[in-house]
Amino acid sequence: DQQVKQNSPSLSVQEGRISILNCDYTNSMFDYFLWYKKYPAEGPTFLISISSIKDKNEDGRFTVFLNKSAKHLSLHIVPSQPGDSAVYFCAASSGGSNYKLTFGKGTLLTVNP
Amino acid sequence: NAGVTQTPKFQVLKTGQSMTLQCAQDMNHEYMSWYRQDPGMGLRLIHYSVGAGITDQGEVPNGYNVSRSTTEDFPLRLLSAAPSQTSVYFCASTPDQGLGEKLFFGSGTQLSVL
Repeated sequence: DQQVKQNSPSLSVQEGRISILNCDYTNSMFDYFLWYKKYPAEGPTFLISISSIKDKNEDGRFTVFLNKSAKHLSLHIVPSQPGDSAVYFCAASSGGSNYKLTFGKGTLLTVNP
Repeated sequence: NAGVTQTPKFQVLKTGQSMTLQCAQDMNHEYMSWYRQDPGMGLRLIHYSVGAGITDQGEVPNGYNVSRSTTEDFPLRLLSAAPSQTSVYFCASTPDQGLGEKLFFGSGTQLSVL
């Protein structure tokens, strides 16, 4: 049973517009959530994270929102740039065990010039 | 600044062969993990280690063996390769547990088992 779900396999947006990537989770024990970005033939790289005690975290063009009651988080990218085109993975952990992340299946974001 | 280094980058095996995927990190991180990525499946945890001499199983450990004799190295052994082990393998490390820490990933090993 998948504990972290990314229901959109792909998303296409125009350069300069907002990209919104969604993630749902089922395990109530998750208390830390991360987004990773992955280019082809490279390893995932950390993008942004949020603790369950917060509902928003912002870093430049990237903002992550957490709705604990709905067990839902989203990543907003504003403005989107062609270099943002990649696969984005949502991941979660519990009890500080960030070496044991549970990942979603990923969403392929394509930003068109 | 090497970070997490994985070798080889590509490998082709025949069913039944054994091999070791190498992983080394130069950041003095205590925690290391192995994941596999399959199409449409995301990344799944195979084994992890919380320090030298200590390892444990993740979500999909069958067919794999690990050891951690030093802080720097965390090799993954395929005992008898099967086509179902065709995948991309990622090694990762993190300095400590706790909120705020994140995993650093290597660039991956693409393995094909024929």
